[in-house]
Amino acid sequence: EAQVTQNPRYLITVTGKKLTVTCSQNMNHEYMSWYRQDPGLGLRQIYYSMNVEVTDKGDVPEGYKVSRKEKRNFPLILESPSPNQTSLYFCASSAGGGPSTDTQYFGPGTRLTVL
Amino acid sequence: AQSVSQHNHHVILSEAASLELGCNYSYGGTVNLFWYVQYPGQHLQLLLKYFSGDPLVKGIKGFEAEFIKSKFSFNLRKPSVQWSDTAEYFCAVTPNRDDKIIFGKGTRLHILP
Repeated sequence: EAQVTQNPRYLITVTGKKLTVTCSQNMNHEYMSWYRQDPGLGLRQIYYSMNVEVTDKGDVPEGYKVSRKEKRNFPLILESPSPNQTSLYFCASSAGGGPSTDTQYFGPGTRLTVL
Repeated sequence: AQSVSQHNHHVILSEAASLELGCNYSYGGTVNLFWYVQYPGQHLQLLLKYFSGDPLVKGIKGFEAEFIKSKFSFNLRKPSVQWSDTAEYFCAVTPNRDDKIIFGKGTRLHILP
């Protein structure tokens, strides 16, 4: 089954404790992206990647890192999480040229709480 | 700055009512336009998209949207809503057919049975 998976689905952590949220897709998509969803703010793009070893900042990249060493995986790294990073995070992937040319497929979301 | 505005944050309708959700974007160049839906507890799914051609786009579940370039709008419509349409709806734009995508803040739709 074609899908985007994220782990963990729920995470409660404390300020400053490094964490990684994994994202994996099995559709051989070139484009992958991370979003955060906050009430009243909709979805905001954090980082995206057009292909392996190619990453770019979205609208809200501060406090986050990403890497794209393999086509299928696109982990989101919070080196020193802070309470304002408490949010619902979505990973997405699409083929070819990304969202401008192809449909994005979203993962189930990761709800992160930073105390 | 490029932005997407969804006029209604929360809409409540009765079943069988007609629906129109507004979406305007602030970019003068070529754009691709999308409507995504998020059902309660689920991830986002594509409802419909416009890349080029006929400005009236039909999507899944009886939804359609009309691109009006002169008004920078891409409103979502459905002639008769169902209780199962209760969800949050997001309009999105890729300015200049860019790699980045900008989402609106969402409209929460609640259908009364």
